[in-house]
Amino acid sequence: DTGVSQDPRHKITKRGQNVTFRCDPISEHNRLYWYRQTLGQGPEFLTYFQNEAQLEKSRLLSDRFSAERPKGSFSTLEIQRTEQGDSAMYLCASSLGDRENEKLFFGSGTQLSVL
Amino acid sequence: AQKITQTQPGMFVQEKEAVTLDCTYDTSDPSYGLFWYKQPSSGEMIFLIYQGSYDQQNATEGRYSLNFQKARKSANLVISASQLGDSAMYFCAMRSTFSGGYNKLIFGAGTRLAVHP
Repeated sequence: DTGVSQDPRHKITKRGQNVTFRCDPISEHNRLYWYRQTLGQGPEFLTYFQNEAQLEKSRLLSDRFSAERPKGSFSTLEIQRTEQGDSAMYLCASSLGDRENEKLFFGSGTQLSVL
Repeated sequence: AQKITQTQPGMFVQEKEAVTLDCTYDTSDPSYGLFWYKQPSSGEMIFLIYQGSYDQQNATEGRYSLNFQKARKSANLVISASQLGDSAMYFCAMRSTFSGGYNKLIFGAGTRLAVHP
């Protein structure tokens, strides 16, 4: 068990460019979550996968954002035509199930800076 | 709507003393779970403690305990014998089994704790 890993740790991009982040969950976990965290705030839910199926998307996830989990293992989050407001920490988490007491295991995040 | 409120942006505590971090929540769901996470400067969210809405006793995990007052809708985290390594952001979060909310955690804005030697 190596935990949840995210790549890259940091990404600096120019406004209008596309960026893609990767998340590798804990291997036996079939639930995967993406959150966004801005400075001084708590994480905000973006989207959730059960295996390869994307079951819920937040209103925060505009049409410039797309997430995939093609084989039910790793996931990617792509942001097209980045804007300065997209600058944030993007956190990935995974869990074994969705019981009420199921805790989420988080990665260290990808810090995005849009110039 | 479900909501978590943490009213203390920052807290200071002397090493080896106890500290209480406040959390209130709002939900109309009869069943829910409450979590506390720690986020050090490295960025990773670390699970600390869980309390179920139907649990009769307050949860404890080592130096962490949760002061759960259901009628007041509060779930305060108590850290005993503070250590320098406890300096971090602390987030309260909630998960409900109804209202379609069972598949995500909702977080508060967090409290930054600084432990002084």
